[in-house]
Amino acid sequence: GAVVSQHPSRVICKSGTSVKIECRSLDFQATTMFWYRQFPKQSLMLMATSNEGSKATYEQGVEKDKFLINHASLTLSTLTVTSAHPEDSSFYICSASASGNQPQHFGDGTRLSIL
Amino acid sequence: QKEVEQDPGPLSVPEGAIVSLNCTYSNSAFQYFMWYRQYSRKGPELLMYTYSSGNKEDGRFTAQVDKSSKYISLFIRDSQPSDSATYLCAMSVMGNQGGKLIFGQGTELSVKP
Repeated sequence: GAVVSQHPSRVICKSGTSVKIECRSLDFQATTMFWYRQFPKQSLMLMATSNEGSKATYEQGVEKDKFLINHASLTLSTLTVTSAHPEDSSFYICSASASGNQPQHFGDGTRLSIL
Repeated sequence: QKEVEQDPGPLSVPEGAIVSLNCTYSNSAFQYFMWYRQYSRKGPELLMYTYSSGNKEDGRFTAQVDKSSKYISLFIRDSQPSDSATYLCAMSVMGNQGGKLIFGQGTELSVKP
C-alpha cells in the first residue's frame, strides 16, 4: 500500500518551455502533498506544501509564479515549472500523506533538464 | 547549526556486517522520526516510522530514538549488497498529515559482496 506515482520520470526541453509534473496517490487519499527539489549528493529541500482544494504554502525563497502548484483532488497534485531556464534543472520529487499521523510516501521523482 | 545532522559518509562495509547509521538533532519539539532509503535516481522509500523514544524492529532493521540525547539510529543486520543506497533520517514536530519533514543530509552506504 501507500503508492505514489510521479510522471514523467524524465524531461528534457528547451529554455522558455513550461513543464508540468503530475503526482498521484494510487491507493490512498492524500489530504496533503509536498513538493521537493534535490540537487546531486544533497538532501531534499521542501518547496511547497499543498492541501486539497486550497492554495499551496511555499517555502521561503521559492517563487510562487515560477512553480505553480495545483491540488485539485485527493489523489492528484501538479507542479508546473513556468518558463523554465537551465538553473531550474534538478530532480523534483513529490510526496503524499493520508489523514491522521501518517508518514509521507514519495514518488520516484522527475529529472528535469533544461537546455 | 543545522536542525538535523547526519554524517554523509560514504560508509563501506562487507556483506553480512551490522550497519549503524545515526542522526542528531537540536529541536526538542521533534516527535516523529523516520528513516528513508533512496536508491540512485529514485525517490525515498520509507523504512521505519517511530513516535517518541524507544526501539522499533522490522526484519533486519531496528530504529532507536533517544529523545533525551536528541539522537536517533538505524541498525541494519546481516547487510546485503542490495542495501547499498543513501539513507536519510527525517523528523517532524507534527504527525498530522505527515507534517513538515526536516531531513538529514543522508548517508551513502555501500555493502561489498
